[in-house]
Amino acid sequence: SSELTQDPAVSVALGQTIRITCQGDSLRNYYATWYQQKPGQAPILVIYGKNKRPSGIPDRFSGSSSGNTASLTITGAQAEDEAAYYCQSWDTSVNHYVFGTGTEVTVL
Amino acid sequence: QVQLVQSGAEVKKPGASVKVSCKASGYTFSNYGISWVRQAPGQGLEWMGWVSTANGNTSYAQTLQGRVTMTADTSTSTVYMELRSLRSGDTAVYYCAREGANCVYGECYPIDAFDIWGQGTMVTVSS
Repeated sequence: SSELTQDPAVSVALGQTIRITCQGDSLRNYYATWYQQKPGQAPILVIYGKNKRPSGIPDRFSGSSSGNTASLTITGAQAEDEAAYYCQSWDTSVNHYVFGTGTEVTVL
Repeated sequence: QVQLVQSGAEVKKPGASVKVSCKASGYTFSNYGISWVRQAPGQGLEWMGWVSTANGNTSYAQTLQGRVTMTADTSTSTVYMELRSLRSGDTAVYYCAREGANCVYGECYPIDAFDIWGQGTMVTVSS
């Protein structure tokens, strides 16, 4: 299957922890990559590989995986973390990248 | 600095073609492949395809096969995406994105993640 499913929207209180999940068969064999996208802006990479963060991404962002589910955790969410988050993986059934449906995160 | 700069917004009629450019700078162009990703208004991200900047090899999403062509010009460090037979459903922001890689002693290994993105190009298809 070439689908990656995410919850459409979640909210978190300022300073609390939030976990965003991504489900799909391809995640059994490939790590999920995670992107953050703010309105009117291009996505930016936040997590790749086995929980790796590019330079400049705060350590409150972390990734994990179990079976067909990958998770992005924001520990101590900040107002600037309010954004849409997309997972991405490689689908061997069609030999191309696939993105998740996206999760809108609201920081209250 | 490392960046991808895309060409400007386009308005096209149904049935026409559009060609969007993506100029790379600040890194060794041929060490990193480029993918194109589009986003329809209010919608999620859709991977369109990939071009190798080292040898011009391509891979396209099945949904766009036959309508899209991606090319790389090493002399100008520019990648192009052409989409033909445009329809209203092609209205979207089109992004080029660099496929990140770990380079060790001149050998580069893709990390299956897009680490640098262009600013996006709005393509509107309307009669």
